[in-house]
Amino acid sequence: AQSVTQLDSQVPVFEEAPVELRCNYSSSVSVYLFWYVQYPNQGLQLLLKYLSGSTLVKGINGFEAEFNKSQTSFHLRKPSVHISDTAEYFCAVSEARGGGSNYKLTFGKGTLLTVNP
Amino acid sequence: KAGVTQTPRYLIKTRGQQVTLSCSPISGHRSVSWYQQTPGQGLQFLFEYFSETQRNKGNFPGRFSGRQFSNSRSEMNVSTLELGDSALYLCASRRGGGAEDGYTFGSGTRLTVV
Repeated sequence: AQSVTQLDSQVPVFEEAPVELRCNYSSSVSVYLFWYVQYPNQGLQLLLKYLSGSTLVKGINGFEAEFNKSQTSFHLRKPSVHISDTAEYFCAVSEARGGGSNYKLTFGKGTLLTVNP
Repeated sequence: KAGVTQTPRYLIKTRGQQVTLSCSPISGHRSVSWYQQTPGQGLQFLFEYFSETQRNKGNFPGRFSGRQFSNSRSEMNVSTLELGDSALYLCASRRGGGAEDGYTFGSGTRLTVV
């Protein structure tokens, strides 16, 4: 079974500042990692994913994340945030190989990013 | 292309009733999953269907059930509703059966049980 810990429930930042949202995972097998964003009253939108290969993954809206296997982390970063980035961000993990539990995503509790002017 | 469509968007039901939620995946997507989102528990996996077969089920009571039709559309049913079933129910679809395909989520159905 996998688990995901998002270390900060809320992150307030000022516009144009850099931001890092932290995510740690636990799994006994190889995993795929995902970051999703949820705007108010909407579903989740995929920001980026790590499957294999380069540990630095670039996504939409200027976000990127770095996979660190030794630290079991997958932190999300953006060098300069905008007001429109205000939303809740979810880190998720799934098994990388077949099996009964391969097909589901396990989510963290979410981090509310608030960008202030 | 059209996204994942969930109907209805909002629903109010009385304790003890049953409810059916509907999900139409993106055209060509064969896998549909359901998640329950609440402020206290976050996002919890309910079940996944692929080509009309339930492949995995989360840790929910038997009151929660689902199915997938031959056109990949899916429904989930909750019987004997309890107050704690109030939540945002999210449906997600992906093209294939592998985990590497990212999910596309619908906007959800917000169920309120009174």
